[in-house]
Amino acid sequence: EPEVTQTPSHQVTQMGQEVILRCVPISNHLYFYWYRQILGQKVEFLVSFYNNEISEKSEIFDDRFSVERPDGSNFTLKIRSTKLEDSAMYFCASKTAYSYEQYFGPGTRLTVT
Amino acid sequence: GENVEQHPSTLSVQEGDSAVIKCTYSDSASNYFPWYKQELGKGPQLIIDIRSNVGEKKDQRIAVTLNKTAKHFSLHITETQPEDSAVYFCTSGRRDDKIIFGKGTRLHILP
Repeated sequence: EPEVTQTPSHQVTQMGQEVILRCVPISNHLYFYWYRQILGQKVEFLVSFYNNEISEKSEIFDDRFSVERPDGSNFTLKIRSTKLEDSAMYFCASKTAYSYEQYFGPGTRLTVT
Repeated sequence: GENVEQHPSTLSVQEGDSAVIKCTYSDSASNYFPWYKQELGKGPQLIIDIRSNVGEKKDQRIAVTLNKTAKHFSLHITETQPEDSAVYFCTSGRRDDKIIFGKGTRLHILP
């Protein structure tokens, strides 16, 4: 069964550094999303991406954040100048053009020290 | 703003009994209500969903109901088993749009 994959599973970085979180969505999916979950809190929407552009972003997704689909298979989230409060689990999700269902990856745990 | 309220935050039921989780949503434009199960160290897994043209949907031991007038929806798990222990999230959204998550319910199935 196809699934969304994410790498790395755990990323530790120092405050102020840049990180790139990688996702490989399910192959025939066209809509892509990033969500995050701070430990013990609800899952929060960050950004949606379709047709090579951002469809919607939340207030969390400030100008330190960016997304990219560099090739036909990867979808990345870059965070520049990381802050302590960026520490969270980051989930990638994807869906097809005509369905409702979003499928989530296993997540990347980002720890900013 | 858009919000999904979920309760209870923790639920313990005896194996074999039923579990019920209730949610309310605020965005009248929402027409899609998926439920996700999250096990420790894993991503949310879609277990069942319901759309606003349907009032109830059942899949084996899991059923969901939707009252669009009251903006309420709920998850019912019958004949609970140990593997049902997890965190369950109710969510709301529209096709292609973001999903708004509730805070989650930690379900414990007691032996």
